[in-house]
Amino acid sequence: QKEVEQDPGPLSVPEGAIVSLNCTYSNSAFQYFMWYRQYSRKGPELLMYTYSSGNKEDGRFTAQVDKSSKYISLFIRDSQPSDSATYLCAMTGTNAGKSTFGDGTTLTVKP
Amino acid sequence: DTGVSQNPRHKITKRGQNVTFRCDPISEHNRLYWYRQTLGQGPEFLTYFQNEAQLEKSRLLSDRFSAERPKGSFSTLEIQRTEQGDSAMYLCASSLEFGKRNTIYFGEGSWLTVV
Repeated sequence: QKEVEQDPGPLSVPEGAIVSLNCTYSNSAFQYFMWYRQYSRKGPELLMYTYSSGNKEDGRFTAQVDKSSKYISLFIRDSQPSDSATYLCAMTGTNAGKSTFGDGTTLTVKP
Repeated sequence: DTGVSQNPRHKITKRGQNVTFRCDPISEHNRLYWYRQTLGQGPEFLTYFQNEAQLEKSRLLSDRFSAERPKGSFSTLEIQRTEQGDSAMYLCASSLEFGKRNTIYFGEGSWLTVV
């Protein structure tokens, strides 16, 4: 079983919808949690970065971490066609070395 | 452009040949990472450097893979005797050790196709 499991999708929503993307993990040592967006054949781009449990908001994006349940989420409000991409969750321990990624959820926002 | 730069962007090679990829990190970043990504999968950690020291190397990395960062600036990833299973996108990333912790910035990737 992988250390990080991500809902595989694909996910297709109409423009303006609220999108929920989720990951679970098994390693209690993970302390830092990230969400990346990746367009086709491009490198991942950091969207959100959180430490410890709680919520963090940035514009239309909200990242949520529940360490007791080992569950993280990314919410996208008022989704736009330009949000269509693959979303990757990633996490790392306090050593700040390697990050462990989920396999991504592909999102399509239809106009 | 002050982002992470990778070259070449695309490489097609015959099985058994050696290939080398180069990564130029963001200039003030002292950490440099290599990841590999195949279709439908998330990036998989290969190795990382802090300055010129290689601090961690994945167990998945066979002896055919070697990475260097001789002066703590750019890095090279060499794959010897390539196999078809090496076909993937090789991603380089960099970060500050004591900056926004674990915020790593990726390059555009180098695509390898082994035929």
